[in-house]
Amino acid sequence: KNQVEQSPQSLIILEGKNCTLQCNYTVSPFSNLRWYKQDTGRGPVSLTIMTFSENTKSNGRYTATLDADTKQSSLHITASQLSDSASYICVVSARGSTLGRLYFGRGTQLTVWP
Amino acid sequence: DTEVTQTPKHLVMGMTNKKSLKCEQHMGHRAMYWYKQKAKKPPELMFVYSYEKLSINESVPSRFSPECPNSSLLNLHLHALQPEDSALYLCASSHPKTDTQYFGPGTRLTVL
Repeated sequence: KNQVEQSPQSLIILEGKNCTLQCNYTVSPFSNLRWYKQDTGRGPVSLTIMTFSENTKSNGRYTATLDADTKQSSLHITASQLSDSASYICVVSARGSTLGRLYFGRGTQLTVWP
Repeated sequence: DTEVTQTPKHLVMGMTNKKSLKCEQHMGHRAMYWYKQKAKKPPELMFVYSYEKLSINESVPSRFSPECPNSSLLNLHLHALQPEDSALYLCASSHPKTDTQYFGPGTRLTVL
């Protein structure tokens, strides 16, 4: 069964601190993995996309890693800011899958306190 | 233009009303999607249009009726909704040769 599991479910950190969010998936055959940021009541915004051959990808203060062997990904946020408070969703797509068929994790709700 | 727009941002309707949600993109994407998202849950796929033809309907109740008038527009017609249909409705689009979906800001729907 194709699934995406994220941990932790929620996280509170102080402004300026770093944090790491985890994503484990069983989607097969794997095509790519994306991390999205979703502010409350808004649509998801793509942060990074990683394919099978990529291990690390950065986008400003966001760095995503992918281990395709263990089927794990992480999203590391450095020097957190209040505006980083949001839900971070891991989304995986399968190679050759039906158009539009993405597998969503339940998200990690990050809260950054001043 | 690299964004997906949705109108209205908020909608409150009674169970007997008829309303429509609108989605527009000008990125040349030929696949467009409707999702429903409840609080603290991931988006759930409702419909997929590919080249203006409905290709996926995830067993959505008939009180939701999608329409794709052209390659840039996607509508979702609502009629006789239930309070449990209250949710954030997201539109997305993608290029036919990739599966990267670009999401709109969503319409927050409340059914009284």
